[in-house]
Amino acid sequence: SAVISQKPSRDICQRGTSLTIQCQVDSQVTMMFWYRQQPGQSLTLIATANQGSEATYESGFVIDKFPISRPNLTFSTLTVSNMSPEDSSIYLCSVEPVDRVYGYTFGSGTRLTVV
Amino acid sequence: DQQVKQNSPSLSVQEGRISILNCDYTNSMFDYFLWYKKYPAEGPTFLISISSIKDKNEDGRFTVFLNKSAKHLSLHIVPSQPGDSAVYFCAASYVNRDDKIIFGKGTRLHILP
Repeated sequence: SAVISQKPSRDICQRGTSLTIQCQVDSQVTMMFWYRQQPGQSLTLIATANQGSEATYESGFVIDKFPISRPNLTFSTLTVSNMSPEDSSIYLCSVEPVDRVYGYTFGSGTRLTVV
Repeated sequence: DQQVKQNSPSLSVQEGRISILNCDYTNSMFDYFLWYKKYPAEGPTFLISISSIKDKNEDGRFTVFLNKSAKHLSLHIVPSQPGDSAVYFCAASYVNRDDKIIFGKGTRLHILP
């Protein structure tokens, strides 16, 4: 399965600022996914990032707040813009498996605290 | 509307005994189910999956059972070991949703010595 390097692993940010999270994959993948896990909640899909096209956002998430880049088949970034304390969460990237049998692979996550 | 539900936020099991984690789903379109395990400060790691055409899948100490009529699945860990202490997420997907997966809230499993 793919190996994902996600950074930063954690950050404490001021309200109103932005943070960009990076995910680097050790192999080429078509689809990358960005998730958020708020305290006590399940992992919620933010958007799907395909190389060469705009990201597809889930209901409740918008590009202005969570702009995503996907410049090539091994890399993606998620930016959390104009942050508020409600954005304090764990953010995770994920890649599709070669075969559904093997499940998705996740990055180690970015724990974001907004103060 | 929570389509995948894990109603037990936590579970404590004696080391060596069987751990049973439960999951219910509401969407009959789901055709693939997965369990993930998550340690603190790490991303979820894939554990085991089952297709809707099966009712059981086994991998070592881990067995997943699927009851489609009840829209229920469970993960059995036998025997439970200290390293099994983690949060376990149940997840489901179906092909028409571009393989996006929907997660439950997780169950924290504590293995007691």
